[in-house]
Amino acid sequence: KAGVTQTPRYLIKTRGQQVTLSCSPISGHRSVSWYQQTPGQGLQFLFEYFSETQRNKGNFPGRFSGRQFSNSRSEMNVSTLELGDSALYLCASSLGAGGPWNEQFFGPGTRLTVL
Amino acid sequence: KNEVEQSPQNLTAQEGEFITINCSYSVGISALHWLQQHPGGGIVSLFMLSSGKKKHGRLIATINIQEKHSSLHITASHPRDSAVYICAFLNTGNQFYFGTGTSLTVIP
Repeated sequence: KAGVTQTPRYLIKTRGQQVTLSCSPISGHRSVSWYQQTPGQGLQFLFEYFSETQRNKGNFPGRFSGRQFSNSRSEMNVSTLELGDSALYLCASSLGAGGPWNEQFFGPGTRLTVL
Repeated sequence: KNEVEQSPQNLTAQEGEFITINCSYSVGISALHWLQQHPGGGIVSLFMLSSGKKKHGRLIATINIQEKHSSLHITASHPRDSAVYICAFLNTGNQFYFGTGTSLTVIP
């Protein structure tokens, strides 16, 4: 079974631009959670989607948004990029609803650099 | 105030040693995870537990809800165990918190 895939793996943007990251979960998994990892803040939970609905959200500004499609693939969007948004963005999928409540399988991450 | 504290921050061990990594938290939790992150960023979920003890191969995770403490043990450590180990938990308000991680290096 293929693992969680994320595209692109690396991305360079400039301040003020927007970016869309994609995550394809393991086949059959319906929950996708997104995380941000920075050297200063460590890992932080962004949000979780299940059956195309956002079920849980971390403490991030509205510039961070996401969505999930009917095939469970998920996208994350960051608008008006700031230097501090430079990070590794990880997604994780799980079989049932509740993201962090369940065993999660992580993708390799997308490394975003904002210049 | 940090809701979760991990110790030690860095750990170097000789191959074959028994290793313990600790995670203490200050709030009520619903579940606790132990994660392993290798250089390059890939994360693997090792355990999810809400009580007692779980074992998988050379890895053992324990949690004491009353003392608000969890430990991850590695028996007969091996250089391939070198990674960052992170504890994470859901509090009763469904917020997900991560520890700062323990960087483990196992020397052959």
